[in-house]
Amino acid sequence: NAGVTQTPKFQVLKTGQSMTLQCAQDMNHEYMSWYRQDPGMGLRLIHYSVGAGITDQGEVPNGYNVSRSTTEDFPLRLLSAAPSQTSVYFCASSPSGGPQETQYFGPGTRLLVL
Amino acid sequence: AQKITQTQPGMFVQEKEAVTLDCTYDTSDPSYGLFWYKQPSSGEMIFLIYQGSYDQQNATEGRYSLNFQKARKSANLVISASQLGDSAMYFCAMREGSSGGSYIPTFGRGTSLIVHP
Repeated sequence: NAGVTQTPKFQVLKTGQSMTLQCAQDMNHEYMSWYRQDPGMGLRLIHYSVGAGITDQGEVPNGYNVSRSTTEDFPLRLLSAAPSQTSVYFCASSPSGGPQETQYFGPGTRLLVL
Repeated sequence: AQKITQTQPGMFVQEKEAVTLDCTYDTSDPSYGLFWYKQPSSGEMIFLIYQGSYDQQNATEGRYSLNFQKARKSANLVISASQLGDSAMYFCAMREGSSGGSYIPTFGRGTSLIVHP
């Protein structure tokens, strides 16, 4: 049981490049989310999904796109990377999005945009 | 306004002593969940403890307990008998209802705890 997996672990991009951060879970969870973590800012929600085909914006969605074609996968796309997107990105999932559900986190992707 | 406030950027504690990490929250939703996570220097997020808004008793998990004061909207984490391995960042989080029907988690900015031998 792998839980939540993220790839890559580390990535360096040049300004203007695009890339996709991959996230997959094998727990059949309906709710998935992407966060970015910056020093002193905690985790801020970028986008989330309550099931296949359903996504919504979080607190800091600008510059990021998501889609959810399957229950298992929730990729995060950076269309044109900017230095302000240098951060650590976490993907998380929970069964259905209820108030009592803890989230299961992936190991994170460290992104550096030059 | 922040929904989760952690006022202590950094805390120090002597090994084997107890420490309290503060967390206050802001919500008008009667149904919500409160969580604490630990993030060691290796970076992974580890779930520690959960408290539901309707729970009458404070949650406990081993050396961790949550001091839940609903009227004050506070959910402080108490770590008893601190260990060197407790040195980490600690995040308080709340899951409250959204217009879409799901419960969206919000995190505080974290408290860095250092345990001295």
